[in-house]
Amino acid sequence: DAGVIQSPRHEVTEMGQEVTLRCKPISGHNSLFWYRQTMMRGLELLIYFNNNVPIDDSGMPEDRFSAKMPNASFSTLKIQPSEPRDSAVYFCASGSGTNTEAFFGQGTRLTVV
Amino acid sequence: GENVEQHPSTLSVQEGDSAVIKCTYSDSASNYFPWYKQELGKGPQLIIDIRSNVGEKKDQRIAVTLNKTAKHFSLHITETQPEDSAVYFCAVHTGGFKTIFGAGTRLFVKA
Repeated sequence: DAGVIQSPRHEVTEMGQEVTLRCKPISGHNSLFWYRQTMMRGLELLIYFNNNVPIDDSGMPEDRFSAKMPNASFSTLKIQPSEPRDSAVYFCASGSGTNTEAFFGQGTRLTVV
Repeated sequence: GENVEQHPSTLSVQEGDSAVIKCTYSDSASNYFPWYKQELGKGPQLIIDIRSNVGEKKDQRIAVTLNKTAKHFSLHITETQPEDSAVYFCAVHTGGFKTIFGAGTRLFVKA
């Protein structure tokens, strides 16, 4: 398996534009997580899904952020409209079962100018 | 909610010395404690984990200890090598799927 695949690896966009980050979890994993990493706030859990259903989105910072998981092999994190303070590295991770290892993708480095 | 504190934030050791990173947590129901290593430009990767029914676990040069009464757990790296230089995160699961990460420790191993 190629692991968790995220795209794009880098994204530079202007303030106010819509940004869509994509994630393909490891085949067979039933949990998917979106994290945001910044120097100031570290690794923050934004939202996680189990069996394609959002379980906890309490970490989503604002209504500008939304996430979907239309099927077991694909998820998106959308920011609309984007702001400079959204600049960060966004990680997607997947896992199987409870209390088990999370496998992280390479991340998407988002820069909003 | 769960709160995880990690210390130190930066650790510099000489090659061959040991490194110890400590974490404390607040929720006594937490039952799974993984440690992740993050290298530059990559996502975190699991290096060792421990469950609440075990006090210590070792994997070659890496060991983790857990004190559930005191609600703290530690990562021990012996005979450090330059390739151990990275950011290390402790994490806590409070049942289910949710993982709360510590703030991270940047480890420098000087050759």
